[in-house]
Amino acid sequence: DQQVKQNSPSLSVQEGRISILNCDYTNSMFDYFLWYKKYPAEGPTFLISISSIKDKNEDGRFTVFLNKSAKHLSLHIVPSQPGDSAVYFCAADRDDKIIFGKGTRLHILP
Amino acid sequence: DTAVSQTPKYLVTQMGNDKSIKCEQNLGHDTMYWYKQDSKKFLKIMFSYNNKELIINETVPNRFSPKSPDKAHLNLHINSLELGDSAVYFCASSQRRYSGNTIYFGEGSWLTVV
Repeated sequence: DQQVKQNSPSLSVQEGRISILNCDYTNSMFDYFLWYKKYPAEGPTFLISISSIKDKNEDGRFTVFLNKSAKHLSLHIVPSQPGDSAVYFCAADRDDKIIFGKGTRLHILP
Repeated sequence: DTAVSQTPKYLVTQMGNDKSIKCEQNLGHDTMYWYKQDSKKFLKIMFSYNNKELIINETVPNRFSPKSPDKAHLNLHINSLELGDSAVYFCASSQRRYSGNTIYFGEGSWLTVV
């Protein structure tokens, strides 16, 4: 039962361009959504979050968009930098439990 | 100073053995977690403790027993290890148990059962 889905296992983007990572969820009871970034051999680190009462949250180069009717959220990174190459996990929060997607590996090309 | 530290980072052990992974957080958080990342790359919650009290216990074999001696520590003990237990185990903590709190992860413990 995959409640949080990241359907693209990997994504390659040219340095300086926009990276868009997508995430879909099935449970309309989720009240908070988060994005985590993970480098190899390290634990995930928090990137940005959004409450279900909002449709956009911005932090520097990172913007998360939430479309509740479509049960879809996306992470935009502008401009993409080499250090952004990592695995990005989408997560949804409900009842003290955070459920993660499988992750999308982002490659930033020189 | 590492906020959430777990040891050992790598562990190779034989089937049937009993092993423990230790976790400590120095963030003053009330809530601690154990997550498992399996071969399919899913990060799944196993346990959650709030102020030493178990609040989430997912469908995990009872060979896995968490122990929280105080709110800064949450250790994971695994009995009679099986091949399928091979995974990366992440300890994590958050300030409160309610929605929207950022979870801070440790670096992970790579367990290989042979």
